Amino acid sequence: ETGVTQSPTHLIKTRGQQVTLRCSSQSGHNTVSWYQQALGQGPQFIFQYYREEENGRGNFPPRFSGLQFPNYSSELNVNALELDDSALYLCATGGQSQETQYFGPGTRLLVL
Amino acid sequence: GQNIDQPTEMTATEGAIVQINCTYQTSGFNGLFWYQQHAGEAPTFLSYNVLDGLEEKGRFSSFLSRSKGYSYLLLKELQMKDSASYLCAVRGTSGGSYIPTFGRGTSLIVHP
Repeated sequence: ETGVTQSPTHLIKTRGQQVTLRCSSQSGHNTVSWYQQALGQGPQFIFQYYREEENGRGNFPPRFSGLQFPNYSSELNVNALELDDSALYLCATGGQSQETQYFGPGTRLLVL
Repeated sequence: GQNIDQPTEMTATEGAIVQINCTYQTSGFNGLFWYQQHAGEAPTFLSYNVLDGLEEKGRFSSFLSRSKGYSYLLLKELQMKDSASYLCAVRGTSGGSYIPTFGRGTSLIVHP
């Protein structure tokens, strides 16, 4: 148990819709990162938040956006969903040094 | 950009030793991580190397050579439960921020 929770666990959407995924950490880690993991691939870094500000972004379009709240919980928003957005979405929390990241169980998104 | 290369699949016998290699190219190296991921689960942190040398933690050890862009994860006294995907991840700089890049993972199959 990492103490990191994500909701929902599974989600089915259709093309063009919008989705919000959530992540929270019991330990109060102030850094949260979001990843997209397609089947058979390693996680791909979407972005990272530190103290409510984005401080790093991977190669994802602007329709992927996020928020981090004062209690360090976080949201990932994806607009105008595409079929290729179907994947496991992972959040990971850690301290400022980021030597260790604790992953949540993930949200499995299917876009039809 | 960053590039990570690790073998796709390896097999080993219970009780044996296995070494999983990872080579990387990155700018602004700031640490290398190994994670274990069982099928359908989130990655769990195994090790972090930022300086050259060997880090030992129980049955698992991780080695880093920054000049060669090379790391390995060594698993001793293999158990059936070690069957999983092992992910190598490197943190480097991009656009002024530290960005982690994951390899595709090495699927390890441990047989009796």
